[in-house]
Amino acid sequence: GAGVSQSPRYKVTKRGQDVALRCDPISGHVSLYWYRQALGQGPEFLTYFNYEAQQDKSGLPNDRFSAERPEGSISTLTIQRTEQRDSAMYRCASSILAGGSYNEQFFGPGTRLTVL
Amino acid sequence: GNSVTQMEGPVTLSEEAFLTINCTYTATGYPSLFWYVQYPGEGLQLLLKATKADDKGSNKGFEATYRKETTSFHLEKGSVQVSDSAVYFCALSGTNAGKSTFGDGTTLTVKP
Repeated sequence: GAGVSQSPRYKVTKRGQDVALRCDPISGHVSLYWYRQALGQGPEFLTYFNYEAQQDKSGLPNDRFSAERPEGSISTLTIQRTEQRDSAMYRCASSILAGGSYNEQFFGPGTRLTVL
Repeated sequence: GNSVTQMEGPVTLSEEAFLTINCTYTATGYPSLFWYVQYPGEGLQLLLKATKADDKGSNKGFEATYRKETTSFHLEKGSVQVSDSAVYFCALSGTNAGKSTFGDGTTLTVKP
């Protein structure tokens, strides 16, 4: 079956522009997560959803970052007024349900964002 | 807050050597513990997991035991292959929390 997909796979933008990163989770997965991964480091949690409800956004670095999942399936991570420090790999994951033994997360291929 | 510390790499081994990658954690309560693997050019995928103390996760010849007394979840394999070359990430997830906390990854290179 289809795994988690993300688009675009690569995004190059100029400083100050807004970007929208898309994640399409595995069908039927309740929980969807966003992570950011810098080179040589592990994924860093940004936010996650159960269905359409944003459960935890404690990892969003500032108010330029926002995420939504309006119909409980596809999610969009938006970064406004991008800065060079936003350059990273952005990873999406989904799981059957958050927490406990159901928290095996399936990761997408990531979107490599470069801000010039 | 939660944190994961894993053995720094890179690690280079000869084929058929024994592998250990150390992982220790700090967390409240009873987290679930995971090892993820990232092969070159691919995304992260779950390698194994353990959800309670003394559980042993295993897959593809890899094993890790959830040791609450030492807050550790070390990854081991008795005989590595060239195809095991990848980056390995230790991670934890709280009992009721959705987010996972990852270590910084350990790069393993296995030479023939």
